[in-house]
Formats: sequence, structure tokens, C-alpha cells
Amino acid sequence: DVKVTQSSRYLVKRTGEKVFLECVQDMDHENMFWYRQDPGLGLRLIYFSYDVKMKEKGDIPEGYSVSREKKERFSLILESASTNQTSMYLCASMGGTSYEQYFGPGTRLTVT
Amino acid sequence: RKEVEQDPGPFNVPEGATVAFNCTYSNSASQSFFWYRQDCRKEPKLLMSVYSSGNEDGRFTAQLNRASQYISLLIRDSKLSDSATYLCVVNRGGGYQKVTFGTGTKLQVIP
Repeated sequence: DVKVTQSSRYLVKRTGEKVFLECVQDMDHENMFWYRQDPGLGLRLIYFSYDVKMKEKGDIPEGYSVSREKKERFSLILESASTNQTSMYLCASMGGTSYEQYFGPGTRLTVT
Repeated sequence: RKEVEQDPGPFNVPEGATVAFNCTYSNSASQSFFWYRQDCRKEPKLLMSVYSSGNEDGRFTAQLNRASQYISLLIRDSKLSDSATYLCVVNRGGGYQKVTFGTGTKLQVIP
């Protein structure tokens, strides 16, 4: 079974703090994604990576950056957290031959 | 127009009922279509892919109508455990990785 883990289930940070969200997958998948999910807006793609050190902006990359130094790990960085970044953050991975995305359990981030 | 549109519901149906959801998409170049299921406070999981010829998996049937640009999900003999939010997902084209998620349709199956 594919397993995607995220570093925290719940996180509370203050405005202006730098925040790191980590995601690890154990299936040697090439593709990894970061989404945020908000009521009424659904899942929106922030960034994705199709290989180590390769990344591509999604629909809402502003205020975020990512890092993929190893194939199994994809990090989302909030350089200076703001209250409008309070959300559920979901990481996903996908292999090269299947369209199925496997999601981690999510991190609920609150920025106060 | 949104790329992917779904009726948010909720659809409240009795056990044993048949229920259908539709999802419309705006990009005629979309090639791949999926239904995901998301339980309350859980992550989304793939329910089924949607093929041009339609496909069935037990009580679940998915259909694609390219001419009218919509996909559908039919659930027969609803169970309490079917209660969840069903997300329509459409590939955007220009790279197979990028998909657009609908905001979901909430189903509540009532005893």
C-alpha cells in the first residue's frame, strides 16, 4: 500500500513566522503535489514536482515555496505566514504510469 | 465559468436508494476524468476512473458525455457507509499531472 505521511496533523503559527510542512511518500513516485483545501473552494494546487529538484507552480503559488532534494520528500514552505494561509494542506504523490493521486492525512494550519 | 462544477448538495437519501451526481467541465481538451471520495476530516481517495465507454464497479457506475462535457456517478442500493463527499476530478491537458478538483457533492445516506 502506498503511504504518504505529513509531518504534523495540526499546527498553530503566528503571523510572520516561517513555516515548514513536510511530506514523505514510500512508493518511489516521481510526482508530488501540495494542495490547500478551503470550504467552498475545493482543493487548489499550490506547487507540484515531477522529479528531484524540479518544480512547477500551480494555481496559487504566491506566498509559498517548495523544496524537493530527495525523491521521497517534498516540503512546502511559507516564508512569512499570514492569516489568509490558515487552511488544510494536503500532500499527494503519483506514479509515472498511473493517474491516481495518493494523499497524505493533511495538516490543518492555523495562523494567528 | 468554473473549470469543474458540482452541485454541493447535500443529497440526503434513504438506505437502498439510487442516487446520481453530475459534474460539468469547461475544458473540451480534457482527456482524463475521475471520481474521488472524501470522508469527513479525511483525505481524498480515488473511487474510480471514468472511461469514454463508461465503467462499473459494483454498485457504482461512472459515465462520460463529451458532447455535453459532463461526467456522472450513479450509486445503486446506497449504504450508510457511502456517506461522504464525492469529488469530480478532470485532467487539464498540457501535462498529465495537472488536474482540477471540483468542490465536491456531499451525500448523506439516512437509515
